[in-house]
Amino acid sequence: QTVVTQEPSLTVSPGGTVTLTCASSTGAITSGYYPNWFQQKPGQAPRALIYSTSNKHSWTPARFSGSLLGGKAALTLSGVQPEDEAEYYCLLYYGGAYVFGTGTKVTVL
Amino acid sequence: EVQLVESGGGLLKPGGSLRLSCEASGFTFNNAWMSWVRQAPGKGLEWVGRIKSKTDGGTTEYAAPVKGRFTISRDDSKTTVYLEMTSLKIEDTAVYYCTHQHAYWGQGTVVTVSS
Repeated sequence: QTVVTQEPSLTVSPGGTVTLTCASSTGAITSGYYPNWFQQKPGQAPRALIYSTSNKHSWTPARFSGSLLGGKAALTLSGVQPEDEAEYYCLLYYGGAYVFGTGTKVTVL
Repeated sequence: EVQLVESGGGLLKPGGSLRLSCEASGFTFNNAWMSWVRQAPGKGLEWVGRIKSKTDGGTTEYAAPVKGRFTISRDDSKTTVYLEMTSLKIEDTAVYYCTHQHAYWGQGTVVTVSS
């Protein structure tokens, strides 16, 4: 069973920068896993932020960016705003099926 | 504007069956690959399955926990995708979301399986 692991929680100060990572139990993540990133706030549906590693949707704020970092997928938030406090999930493609990461709770403090 | 509206959720007993619907608008549904994602209470997101467009073969893929019990289908004339769930288990209790290419999401429908 494939497991996709994220940091359980991260804390960042307003205006700061934080990087979330997404690791696969199968090994290094490449662009062929088409990493997606999502933000979810309590009581709301997830909102898509990044697709295919680093592509932003039309509604994605410029302060969010995606990349590959040391064999993992990464989501960087630069100039963090209080409204960025949320749960963040990655999603990886495994040749037909997809698997979500375990999620990272980002606290802005 | 893309809209996805799920319906059909409810309360049922283990072993029961249920069909969820997701009516789509605001995009060319015929060409769309549609997925279902669920979230158990207080837990993370879990990918359930996907159906390709008919022009891409209309094939389906499922996550291991639901394979053989859940079936995704589509009716392009109604711009609707379905999730047929059988042999339901308590652990299938979740909010079920439909998504278009994981970019657009509905608000979800709640399925509760309890004895």
